[in-house]
Amino acid sequence: AQTVTQSQPEMSVQEAETVTLSCTYDTSESDYYLFWYKQPPSRQMILVIRQEAYKQQNATENRFSVNFQKAAKSFSLKISDSQLGDAAMYFCAYRGDNQGGKLIFGQGTELSVKP
Amino acid sequence: DAGVTQSPTHLIKTRGQQVTLRCSPKSGHDTVSWYQQALGQGPQFIFQYYEEEERQRGNFPDRFSGHQFPNYSSELNVNALLLGDSALYLCASSLVGDLLFTGELFFGEGSRLTVL
Repeated sequence: AQTVTQSQPEMSVQEAETVTLSCTYDTSESDYYLFWYKQPPSRQMILVIRQEAYKQQNATENRFSVNFQKAAKSFSLKISDSQLGDAAMYFCAYRGDNQGGKLIFGQGTELSVKP
Repeated sequence: DAGVTQSPTHLIKTRGQQVTLRCSPKSGHDTVSWYQQALGQGPQFIFQYYEEEERQRGNFPDRFSGHQFPNYSSELNVNALLLGDSALYLCASSLVGDLLFTGELFFGEGSRLTVL
């Protein structure tokens, strides 16, 4: 069975600085998707960034980028120029090929941003 | 364009009771997935509905059941509530074609269930 592990329960970053959140996963599949979702206090999960396993190029969305290491089964999220609005729970998630709406989430990392 | 809406936002039940949670998908979406998020944990997949049928199911007992209506809205029913069912229940929607290629889900704000 696939598993997703986030080993950092809490992280803190100074406003305008850069922070990296870690995620590792375990799978025997070769095709899959990886996601980072943000969950602010409003509780709504918001997609931050997505990576297809078959793509070697790391995904980037404005200030958010990932470091995808397929062989190491690692998928870290880098947030550059951190803003106060980035404070939230961040979840790493895995979806196997043809798994529809079934995501497997990690335990989450709570990010705080200091002014 | 309304996003995913869920009701009620909060509710309190006692052990042994039954509960129904409701979800309206984002406009244009045809699949609905339900997740349970216990306090301090990541969401866990309960099941997914498409074309009014349960298509996938996670590791949840038969006390958890669902339904999808012709307008794509969905209900989650939980019978014989246990204290451990206390959680945030999240609904997520997508267009099945998009789901195949991108896997992206759009989430609602959830229904917070407390079982006493």
